[in-house]
Amino acid sequence: DTEVTQTPKHLVMGMTNKKSLKCEQHMGHRAMYWYKQKAKKPPELMFVYSYEKLSINESVPSRFSPECPNSSLLNLHLHALQPEDSALYLCASSQMGQGSYEQYFGPGTRLTVT
Amino acid sequence: AQTVTQSQPEMSVQEAETVTLSCTYDTSENNYYLFWYKQPPSRQMILVIRQEAYKQQNATENRFSVNFQKAAKSFSLKISDSQLGDTAMYFCAFMKHRTTSGTYKYIFGTGTRLKVLA
Repeated sequence: DTEVTQTPKHLVMGMTNKKSLKCEQHMGHRAMYWYKQKAKKPPELMFVYSYEKLSINESVPSRFSPECPNSSLLNLHLHALQPEDSALYLCASSQMGQGSYEQYFGPGTRLTVT
Repeated sequence: AQTVTQSQPEMSVQEAETVTLSCTYDTSENNYYLFWYKQPPSRQMILVIRQEAYKQQNATENRFSVNFQKAAKSFSLKISDSQLGDTAMYFCAFMKHRTTSGTYKYIFGTGTRLKVLA
């Protein structure tokens, strides 16, 4: 199974809502990532979890809160978002170590903040 | 700081022809990884090819090959016998993981939109 799944596919939320994005992989990867991708732009790294510990937080606003309940699951909790946070949110996973690091991406959640 | 530059925002190629996408990067690191990813319209991103900087031999995956010039910090992708299904956005990416400090960089270039023409 080389699949990374993400739910929901689409999400529309108001600026006062609280919602969560979910990501799951069953490839035994020990690194999981959240990216934000605006239209016609490259993905921007937000968070990296390595062995279920938050390893990288690329100065992301606190209205985004990641969580890694176990090695297969990754959540992104959203609260009080702004319209400029509307984007495609991609989850990815990879092995960690020599000869690896290639990322497997999910299909993304298209988020619209109204 | 590391940067990745893709100087060709858009390219087109006739089916069955060969096309080369350019990528340059800037880093002071000696060991790192380079990748080409493909993102078809409305479909998910997938890995095309990978190159470890410590390997001199250029990576090849079927119709896809790279020209890795470490001294010049250049990492171009050649697609041979282009197919309609190759139409996509192509991103070059740089990766460095320092296990001692835990620092981690995964940087994508701005992308090249490739269209294969029938």
